[in-house]
Amino acid sequence: GAGVSQSPRYKVAKRGQDVALRCDPISGHVSLFWYQQALGQGPEFLTYFQNEAQLDKSGLPSDRFFAERPEGSVSTLKIQRTQQEDSAVYLCASSLRLARGLETQYFGPGTRLLVL
Amino acid sequence: KQEVTQIPAALSVPEGENLVLNCSFTDSAIYNLQWFRQDPGKGLTSLLLIQSSQREQTSGRLNASLDKSSGRSTLYIAASQPGDSATYLCAVSLNSGGSNYKLTFGKGTLLTVNP
Repeated sequence: GAGVSQSPRYKVAKRGQDVALRCDPISGHVSLFWYQQALGQGPEFLTYFQNEAQLDKSGLPSDRFFAERPEGSVSTLKIQRTQQEDSAVYLCASSLRLARGLETQYFGPGTRLLVL
Repeated sequence: KQEVTQIPAALSVPEGENLVLNCSFTDSAIYNLQWFRQDPGKGLTSLLLIQSSQREQTSGRLNASLDKSSGRSTLYIAASQPGDSATYLCAVSLNSGGSNYKLTFGKGTLLTVNP
């Protein structure tokens, strides 16, 4: 079956541009997560959705970052007025059930964002 | 704030060798600990999950142990193969009520197994 897919795989943006990153989770998965992975670092939690509800956005680094999942399936991470420090790989993960800490998270391949 | 450290940062071994990857964390009030594998250009794959009440988990040639009180975990890989070459990441979640899902990752260990 299909895993988690993300698009685009690579994105180059000029500083100040807005970007939108898409995540298609595994069909039927209730929970969806976004992570940011800077070069040479481990992933850092950004936000968590349970169906269409954004239950935790504590990891979003600034108000330029916005995520949505309006129908409880596909999710979009939007970054406004991109800055060079936003350059990273953005990973999306989904899990089948409500996230209580014991579920396997299935990760997508990520979107590599480079801000010039 | 929970901090996760992985040692070594990189490791190169000949095929067939047994090896150990180390992970330490600063806050022992964890809910679980997971080991992931990351291949270049690909996402993370979960290898093993150890609940805070457990001491170890095994899957094939992989064995992960957890010593919560000392804030340490090890991933043991037996009879390493070139296909094991990847970055191995350790992640913990805090026992924090409603946000047990929130993972804190280490920087990873880059493993190269030479044929």
